[in-house]
Amino acid sequence: ETGVTQTPRHLVMGMTNKKSLKCEQHLGHNAMYWYKQSAKKPLELMFVYSLEERVENNSVPSRFSPECPNSSHLFLHLHTLQPEDSALYLCASSQETRTGELFFGEGSRLTVL
Amino acid sequence: AQSVAQPEDQVNVAEGNPLTVKCTYSVSGNPYLFWYVQYPNRGLQFLLKYITGDNLVKGSYGFEAEFNKSQTSFHLKKPSALVSDSALYFCAVRALFRGYSTLTFGKGTMLLVSP
Repeated sequence: ETGVTQTPRHLVMGMTNKKSLKCEQHLGHNAMYWYKQSAKKPLELMFVYSLEERVENNSVPSRFSPECPNSSHLFLHLHTLQPEDSALYLCASSQETRTGELFFGEGSRLTVL
Repeated sequence: AQSVAQPEDQVNVAEGNPLTVKCTYSVSGNPYLFWYVQYPNRGLQFLLKYITGDNLVKGSYGFEAEFNKSQTSFHLKKPSALVSDSALYFCAVRALFRGYSTLTFGKGTMLLVSP
C-alpha cells in the first residue's frame, strides 16, 4: 500500500461524542499535517507535526486534539464538537527538508449533528 | 506573509478549447508555487510545481503553468480541455509556519468543461 490513507472516510457524530480520525502515510516522510476544508473557505492548516514534534495553530479550538505516535501515523481526536465543525478533514505528509510539496489523503468527511 | 489569490470562483470552457485558471501570488523572496486538483469527495492531487528554472512548468494530465515574475502570476493552462478535467483547482505557495514548511492555498477555482 502506498500514499496517504485516511480512515474513516465518512463520520457522523453527535455533539457529545468522542471520536478519532486516523491517518497513515507509507511514503517515508517526516512531516504530517491536518487541514480543514469547509465549503467556500480556503483550506485551513490546523496542525503540523515535524519529526513528531507538534506545531500548533492557536486558532484551532481545544476540542480538536492531535496525536502523532510515530512518523507514519497521525490522529485527530474529536470531542464535544459543534455543527460548524462539519467539514472535510485532510491529512497530508511531506519530506520537510525538501521543496514543500504535500501529499494528501482522500479526506474524512465529518458531520456533526 | 505568503499568500496566493485565485480571482475566479468558476471557469467555464468547452471541450477541446484551451483553458486558463488564474493565480497570483504575494511572497517575500523566491516563491515555491504549486497547483493541485480536487475531484468530488476526494483529496487533493498534485499537478505541478515551480521551484526555479524554466518559467513554463509541465505537469500531470497535460497541464502546464507559466511563472511570470513581473506580474507575480502562476496561471494554470491546458491546450485542449476534456470533460474529465472538470474539478476544483487550487493554487498554493510554500510558507513557513513557525519555522516549518507548509502550503498556503488559494480559495480554489471550479473548472467546468462542457461537452
